[in-house]
Amino acid sequence: GNSVTQMEGPVTLSEEAFLTINCTYTATGYPSLFWYVQYPGEGLQLLLKATKADDKGSNKGFEATYRKETTSFHLEKGSVQVSDSAVYFCALSLHGSSNTGKLIFGQGTTLQVKP
Amino acid sequence: DARVTQTPRDKVTEMGQEVTMRCQPILGHNTVFWYRQTMMQGLELLAYFRNRAPLDDSGMPKDRFSAEMPDATLATLKIQPSEPRDSAVYFCASGLAQGAGVLTEAFFGQGTRLTVV
Repeated sequence: GNSVTQMEGPVTLSEEAFLTINCTYTATGYPSLFWYVQYPGEGLQLLLKATKADDKGSNKGFEATYRKETTSFHLEKGSVQVSDSAVYFCALSLHGSSNTGKLIFGQGTTLQVKP
Repeated sequence: DARVTQTPRDKVTEMGQEVTMRCQPILGHNTVFWYRQTMMQGLELLAYFRNRAPLDDSGMPKDRFSAEMPDATLATLKIQPSEPRDSAVYFCASGLAQGAGVLTEAFFGQGTRLTVV
């Protein structure tokens, strides 16, 4: 079936470290891919997206590239800050099937950044 | 600044009572999702609508849950009767699907934290 798998957390980093959160997907057809971030007590915020293969989404220093050959959409940031501590969700939206537009999430990865 | 509005933000109710959660999607969006978030299960998709028509509600317990869109500015999720296991945060998301239904963006509300005692 259609699904998203993220690396397990928590991921604990020191400030200014390089961040990678892995995300792989299984989908029929070619989905759009999204990263969302959730801060404590809040809803999910759209961080970035990519709608076709080789697209790179970027926002606030975060970026992710849609890799069709490896079915991946890994999130990266060159230098994390304490304020980046949150839960990060990878998601896909299906195209060209009976579930077109359905938005499916991974389990989330908690990031803790220490000063 | 367009945003998704959910009410109430918090709800405490007794087991057996009816609960109604409301969502005002972003003007111009044509897709609405309802999700439930718990520590154990993560984010679960309960139902979603396109142009007010339900596309998939297979994630929703049909015996007690119902979701509707009476008009383009309001989506509702009802639980009747409520049970303690329904305690969770319920999120509404508003999205725009274009062309052959390709979702180009989706924004979440702040959620309704439901506690059933």
